[in-house]
Amino acid sequence: DAGVTQSPTHLIKTRGQQVTLRCSPISGHKSVSWYQQVLGQGPQFIFQYYEKEERGRGNFPDRFSARQFPNYSSELNVNALLLGDSALYLCASSRLWTDYSTDTQYFGPGTRLTVL
Amino acid sequence: GEDVEQSLFLSVREGDSSVINCTYTDSSSTYLYWYKQEPGAGLQLLTYIFSNMDMKQDQRLTVLLNKKDKHLSLRIADTQTGDSAIYFCAESTYDRGSTLGRLYFGRGTQLTVWP
Repeated sequence: DAGVTQSPTHLIKTRGQQVTLRCSPISGHKSVSWYQQVLGQGPQFIFQYYEKEERGRGNFPDRFSARQFPNYSSELNVNALLLGDSALYLCASSRLWTDYSTDTQYFGPGTRLTVL
Repeated sequence: GEDVEQSLFLSVREGDSSVINCTYTDSSSTYLYWYKQEPGAGLQLLTYIFSNMDMKQDQRLTVLLNKKDKHLSLRIADTQTGDSAIYFCAESTYDRGSTLGRLYFGRGTQLTVWP
């Protein structure tokens, strides 16, 4: 089975622009989470979605938004980009949110966003 | 709040064992994870341990959990040059009433294996 896929791989934007990142979860996984990894740091939680509903949000400004589609894929949108938004954006999927034993999150390769 | 601490660097010789340590703060964490990240890549799940376990072994990997001290370690036996990477410790926490966990990561430990 294919793992978590993300597109695009790399992206270069300028300050003030808007960006959309895409994620497809592992087949059978219904939950998608987004993380931001700034260079030299561990990933930081941004959003979590299950069944098209937001189930959790980290400490990020309203410029960050996301959504999940009926096929469980997801998009992360960032408006009014700042230099500090430059990071690796990671998507993770997990199977079921009602079962502790299968809440393990599997990560995609990430999208490298550079803001100039 | 959640706070996961790791030492930043570890160097070992090929064939030796590596031990990467981690401390965490959330005593209600249900699962603790180890992920590996190679340069320019995403996170690869290595192993995880349920919080009611003390030890888990998976081939060359041994995870030890001291819940009283909130200390987690990852031992890699017979370390190879291909093990050179950044290793992240993560705890999974749950909002009250939720069964959907979110991960909190440490800054990662850069493991360098010398031939």
